[in-house]
Order: sequence, then C-alpha cells, then structure tokens
Amino acid sequence: DAKTTQPPSMDCAEGRAANLPCNHSTISGNEYVYWYRQIHSQGPQYIIHGLKNNETNEMASLIITEDRKSSTLILPHATLRDTAVYYCIVVIVSGNQFYFGTGTSLTVIP
Amino acid sequence: GAVVSQHPSRVICKSGTSVKIECRSLDFQATTMFWYRQFPKQSLMLMATSNEGSKATYEQGVEKDKFLINHASLTLSTLTVTSAHPEDSSFYICSAPPAGGLKSQHFGDGTRLSIL
Repeated sequence: DAKTTQPPSMDCAEGRAANLPCNHSTISGNEYVYWYRQIHSQGPQYIIHGLKNNETNEMASLIITEDRKSSTLILPHATLRDTAVYYCIVVIVSGNQFYFGTGTSLTVIP
Repeated sequence: GAVVSQHPSRVICKSGTSVKIECRSLDFQATTMFWYRQFPKQSLMLMATSNEGSKATYEQGVEKDKFLINHASLTLSTLTVTSAHPEDSSFYICSAPPAGGLKSQHFGDGTRLSIL
C-alpha cells in the first residue's frame, strides 16, 4: 500500500475551515484514500473516503487532485470537538489492511 | 451504524499474567478482523489479521506465540497477550470491515493494558 505524508500538527480557529493536506504521490489506480480521526484514548473514527472524485458528507469534504497524488480533508466549520489526530490512509480496493502513518494533530483554538 | 465493541476497556495486571481481549462486531458479520497496537504519542501499528476459521496472519516482527489470536465465530475475535511483561503495556485496538466488500473499517474503542 502507498505511503502517506502529513504535516505533524496544525492549529485552526474555532468556526473556521480546517484544511488538512495529505501527500500520497505513489498511490496506484486501485487505491482509495481514506480519512480517519482519533480522539485521545479512543478508537479511530471514519470520516470520509474517495477514489478519484471529490466527496462530501455530513462531517467533511475530501478534495483529491486530478493526478491523485495528494488530497485535502476539509472540516468546514471546526469546533473544539474536532481536536484530534487525523489520519490519511490509502488502501487497495481488494485489500483491507490499514497501515497508519503519523497523522496530523489538529488543535482547534477557541 | 455498524459497531465494534472491545472488552475490557482497561486492564491492569501483574507481570507474567496472560490477558485476553475480546473484539465483537455487534450488528454485522466479519470474516476478518484486525488487531493494532498503539504506544503513547505514536500511530497505530497493525499487528495481525484475524481470519474466521483459520490461522491469523501476523505482521513482520510480531510474535505469534506471544500474541495469540482466535477468531472462532463471525462476530468475535480474541487477542491473548501471553505472559505479559511491562513492555507489552500499550493501547490495543481492533477493527472489522463489514463482510461483502470493504468500504470502511469500524474500530473498537481500544483496550488500555498496563502490566505492573
């Protein structure tokens, strides 16, 4: 599975959009991009995933570049409860092991 | 939505004790489950893949005799840390993809293991 690179930490003001980048330059054509987040001492929580097209759900939006080498997770109106470590993971369609990178620790500031 | 439950959530025991952790899929069947370990301030590390009705597959560097995995039914996998020592103290997390095609994995809330 392709490796991902994320900034180790980011801050975001409460109420503003949080844009979390992820680089996956070695991604292959059958690999999905998944985003999970982990609040301290809990299991990871699924946020969103995509293959080629941009995706949106009630939690976030996922923007994938046309060459699929990078993506951005957007939390449109960050709240204090969004403070967590966010993981970007790429995984092949038929496989199912998740190999987590170091993630981005997002701190939402009041 | 689909839920994965882990039990116990926290366990403290003496060195040399064997500890069993359960992972249950509550409203779906899972032919495969995954076990992860997470040390403080680090990311999740995949330990092994638990396969219903067959042997588990372990990641490189993970001792299969140390971490026994049993997946006896479509809703339950267990991880037993045998003869646990302080260096085995960690946060253990399981996950399960619903059968019928993976779109997202569901994670348990983890088990905090502390070996004295």
